Amino acid sequence: DIQMTQSPSSLSASVGDRVTITCRASQSIYSYLNWYQQKPGKAPKLLIYAASSLQSGVPSRFSGSGSGTDFTLTISSLQPEDIATYYCQQSYNTPFTFGPGTKVDIK
Amino acid sequence: QVQLVQSGAEVRKPGASVKVSCKASGYSFTTFDIHWVRQATGQGLEWMGRMTPDSGHWISAQKFQGRVTLTRNGSITTAYMELSSLRSEDTAVYYCARAIPLEDWGQGTLVTVSS
Repeated sequence: DIQMTQSPSSLSASVGDRVTITCRASQSIYSYLNWYQQKPGKAPKLLIYAASSLQSGVPSRFSGSGSGTDFTLTISSLQPEDIATYYCQQSYNTPFTFGPGTKVDIK
Repeated sequence: QVQLVQSGAEVRKPGASVKVSCKASGYSFTTFDIHWVRQATGQGLEWMGRMTPDSGHWISAQKFQGRVTLTRNGSITTAYMELSSLRSEDTAVYYCARAIPLEDWGQGTLVTVSS
């Protein structure tokens, strides 16, 4: 199975800050990397697919980059409604494993 | 619009089975795979398996092999996930989701395993 790691596990930032979350795969997954946002008590929501493609309806302050084994999710200007846990997921090989998540808070 | 509506919360004793349904609407049911993902309380997301509604073919993560069965009833555009030999560690919210990447999600079904 492909193992996914994320860093940091949690972070606190101020409104307007640039936030970066890193995701690493245990082997190359090319660009088969997706990012999800999950708010408490809600189902996850797709933000970014194929490493850098923005899902329809997702604000442009969210962006993704990377390929191979190293990926990043960036929030260019953190907003209060971005408080959530963010998960990466590889869709290169089954099982389609998720990272452990990064919890984002407002400082 | 695409909707995935799941069945309600369930409580089971250890060793029992549970079957969760996922009613799809707003798109052609046979066109996209249905995936199942679970989340224990306060924990991360765990991919369980996927089912191709057109053929009925399905695969699961090795961790669940022998305990999970994925089926569908195309006439009512509903997918099912059945998990057997339940143990306390299976207590979680179970989600169905459409396609990969997982574009649309059901609301989740809480399954509680307790004696």
